Amino acid sequence: DAKTTQPPSMDCAEGRAANLPCNHSTISGNEYVYWYRQIHSQGPQYIIHGLKNNETNEMASLIITEDRKSSTLILPHATLRDTAVYYCIVFRGNTPLVFGKGTRLSVIA
Amino acid sequence: NAGVMQNPRHLVRRRGQEARLRCSPMKGHSHVYWYRQLPEEGLKFMVYLQKENIIDESGMPKERFSAEFPKEGPSILRIQQVVRGDSAAYFCASSRDRRSGRQFYEQYFGPGTRLTVT
Repeated sequence: DAKTTQPPSMDCAEGRAANLPCNHSTISGNEYVYWYRQIHSQGPQYIIHGLKNNETNEMASLIITEDRKSSTLILPHATLRDTAVYYCIVFRGNTPLVFGKGTRLSVIA
Repeated sequence: NAGVMQNPRHLVRRRGQEARLRCSPMKGHSHVYWYRQLPEEGLKFMVYLQKENIIDESGMPKERFSAEFPKEGPSILRIQQVVRGDSAAYFCASSRDRRSGRQFYEQYFGPGTRLTVT
């Protein structure tokens, strides 16, 4: 599975958009970009995934560059409950997820 | 529509005892994955199972650890003769069958079992 690079930490003011970047320059054509988050010590929570088109759901938006070498997860109106570690993962599906260190997002009131 | 269930949520064992962790996947899911998270570390894959089959156990320690996913009932992760280094959070995730018409499905995680070895 392709390796991803994320900043170790980010801050975001409550109510503002949180933009979390991820580099995956070695992604292959059949690999998807997945985002999960882990709030405190809970089980990881699936957020969104995409292949090459931008995606949006009730939780977030995912913007993938045209060359697919990087992506950005957008939480449009961050709340205190969005404070968590966010993981960007690339994989082909129905295989084990490989978690990196992720980005620790702190939403500040 | 219940999510992935894990029990117990907390388990305390003395060194040398056995630990049994259970995972019931989401309805309609036939793939189960076990991950371990040591204190202050990231999640690490342990084993991937389908009903009655181990697909990938490359992340499992060679000794004392075993996993099963029987035809009926939950998936079980068993740790024999526990040691203090086994203290961790153990998470189970499930996903659907790839042959259901889509290329793959996202994995949904349970709340985890926190094992403490004293």
